[in-house]
Amino acid sequence: RKEVEQDPGPFNVPEGATVAFNCTYSNSASQSFFWYRQDCRKEPKLLMSVYSSGNEDGRFTAQLNRASQYISLLIRDSKLSDSATYLCVVNWSNQGGKLIFGQGTELSVKP
Amino acid sequence: DTGVSQDPRHKITKRGQNVTFRCDPISEHNRLYWYRQTLGQGPEFLTYFQNEAQLEKSRLLSDRFSAERPKGSFSTLEIQRTEQGDSAMYLCASDLAGGPVIGELFFGEGSRLTVL
Repeated sequence: RKEVEQDPGPFNVPEGATVAFNCTYSNSASQSFFWYRQDCRKEPKLLMSVYSSGNEDGRFTAQLNRASQYISLLIRDSKLSDSATYLCVVNWSNQGGKLIFGQGTELSVKP
Repeated sequence: DTGVSQDPRHKITKRGQNVTFRCDPISEHNRLYWYRQTLGQGPEFLTYFQNEAQLEKSRLLSDRFSAERPKGSFSTLEIQRTEQGDSAMYLCASDLAGGPVIGELFFGEGSRLTVL
């Protein structure tokens, strides 16, 4: 079983749609959680951290369910510029260090 | 540009040859990571350093792979006797232990390896 598993993609949505990505992780000792974004042929970049209480950053909402070992990312009012691959990431420490990446879910937002 | 830089950006080699990649992290960062990424997959952890100490190596890192960070600044990743399965993008990242944003790794643009 992979340490971090994500919904298979690609997700093709129209502009303005709401889209949700899900992710599960296998190591119950995981301490910190993130979503990274990777544009085509570019390097991954941190999108947002995921906190136990859930957190929001503009149109993006991340949630964590430790009991179910489940992480989600909701994007509201999708923009063309949101087209990218979204990577679910876990860390076994709360001090940073080695990150474990999921395979990524590709999002394509169409006009 | 003070970001993470990697060299070379592209490398084509024949099976059985040795290749070496270099990574220069952001200067104030003391942790440096190597990842490998293939098409349709997320980055796969290979190894990481804090200063010059190699703190962890993935089981995926066979004895053909070796990484060094001799002075705690730049790092090299060498692959000996390359195989076609080594073809991938090799990503380097860095961060500062205890830095302001936990979990934010800064990645370079990668070194793409093609083994013929």
